[in-house]
Amino acid sequence: AQKITQTQPGMFVQEKEAVTLDCTYDTSDQSYGLFWYKQPSSGEMIFLIYQGSYDEQNATEGRYSLNFQKARKSANLVISASQLGDSAMYFCAMREENAGGTSYGKLTFGQGTILTVHP
Amino acid sequence: DTEVTQTPKHLVMGMTNKKSLKCEQHMGHRAMYWYKQKAKKPPELMFVYSYEKLSINESVPSRFSPECPNSSLLNLHLHALQPEDSALYLCASSRGAGGPFFEQYFGPGTRLTVT
Repeated sequence: AQKITQTQPGMFVQEKEAVTLDCTYDTSDQSYGLFWYKQPSSGEMIFLIYQGSYDEQNATEGRYSLNFQKARKSANLVISASQLGDSAMYFCAMREENAGGTSYGKLTFGQGTILTVHP
Repeated sequence: DTEVTQTPKHLVMGMTNKKSLKCEQHMGHRAMYWYKQKAKKPPELMFVYSYEKLSINESVPSRFSPECPNSSLLNLHLHALQPEDSALYLCASSRGAGGPFFEQYFGPGTRLTVT
């Protein structure tokens, strides 16, 4: 079973509109972290936002917010006021505290969503 | 400053060559990582170093040899690679390797082509 599922291979949004990128996860750990990364065509993976499993408030960072619904095991990324520079691949990722000794430090990624912002 | 640097940006090498990729961070992070990424796919973890010691090797072929000379520097030595090893190689670092709370910061990557 996939630990991180991103069901939207591609998404389109008009400039200045908001967009939600979906992410669901699967873990039996109580303690875990959820991350979103942006990867433009240049290749660099840019850290956007983090949500801890014990955090009661949804994380926000500028135009990025994370809609964390723990019971549904979802951690959707919301980008408000989209800009042309937001066009990129977006990855959702998870780190589990008790992933096992052989997975110490491991970040598990979803398959990614390609976001295209239209002018 | 959340900068991880990688050199070179691009590398073309033959299957008999030996080359090295270099990664550097000055954030005081104690964990460093190598990932391999194919086009339009998520990164795949190769190695994890924690406090300059190799803590994870994800069954990577021995033609890839990591080295962590100090807490700021991570190298990946390449020898006798195959064309299927062509990929983007990403380095990352984080404050620690254990636990779920440390975000990883990535470098810009090295695009490797094996001919």
